[in-house]
Amino acid sequence: DAKTTQPNSMESNEEEPVHLPCNHSTISGTDYIHWYRQLPSQGPEYVIHGLTSNVNNRMASLAIAEDRKSSTLILHRATLRDAAVYYCILRDWTGANNLFFGTGTRLTVIP
Amino acid sequence: SAVISQKPSRDICQRGTSLTIQCQVDSQVTMMFWYRQQPGQSLTLIATANQGSEATYESGFVIDKFPISRPNLTFSTLTVSNMSPEDSSIYLCSVEDATRGDLGAGEQYFGPGTRLTVT
Repeated sequence: DAKTTQPNSMESNEEEPVHLPCNHSTISGTDYIHWYRQLPSQGPEYVIHGLTSNVNNRMASLAIAEDRKSSTLILHRATLRDAAVYYCILRDWTGANNLFFGTGTRLTVIP
Repeated sequence: SAVISQKPSRDICQRGTSLTIQCQVDSQVTMMFWYRQQPGQSLTLIATANQGSEATYESGFVIDKFPISRPNLTFSTLTVSNMSPEDSSIYLCSVEDATRGDLGAGEQYFGPGTRLTVT
């Protein structure tokens, strides 16, 4: 699986937008970009995924660069409950069953 | 989505003993996975458990140490055998419905985890 690179940590003020970057320069044409997050003392939860186009759902937006070598998870209005470790994961469409979790970005939300 | 429960939620065990962790899903799913998360670390996949076939283990994990059962589409167990303090971790199960054609777009749902401490 192609590798992703994320900052170790980020901070955001409550009620402000957060942009979490992810670099994946070796992405292949069949790789989906997935984001999961892990709240303290919980299992990871799915956030969003995309292939080429930007995606929006109730939790977040995913902006994918035109060359697909990077992406950004956007939380439009951070709340204290968004404090978590955010993982950017590439997944081949052929169904590599497993998710390879990197170190992720620990998001701290400041009240 | 799927709701997943794990038992026990936590346990403290003596070295040399074994612990079986149960994972129950509220719906039938094709794929189940077992992960380990060591203290302060990210998740590492132990094995994939599909109903009707032997579990597939990742590099560094063997069946004798982590035997897995998958008797039906809603249940799986992971046993941590002959435990040592290095096995102290959070063990998580996850599920995915692989009935869709494009597996790379699938979402996995995780249980709350079992926190194991080996003394």
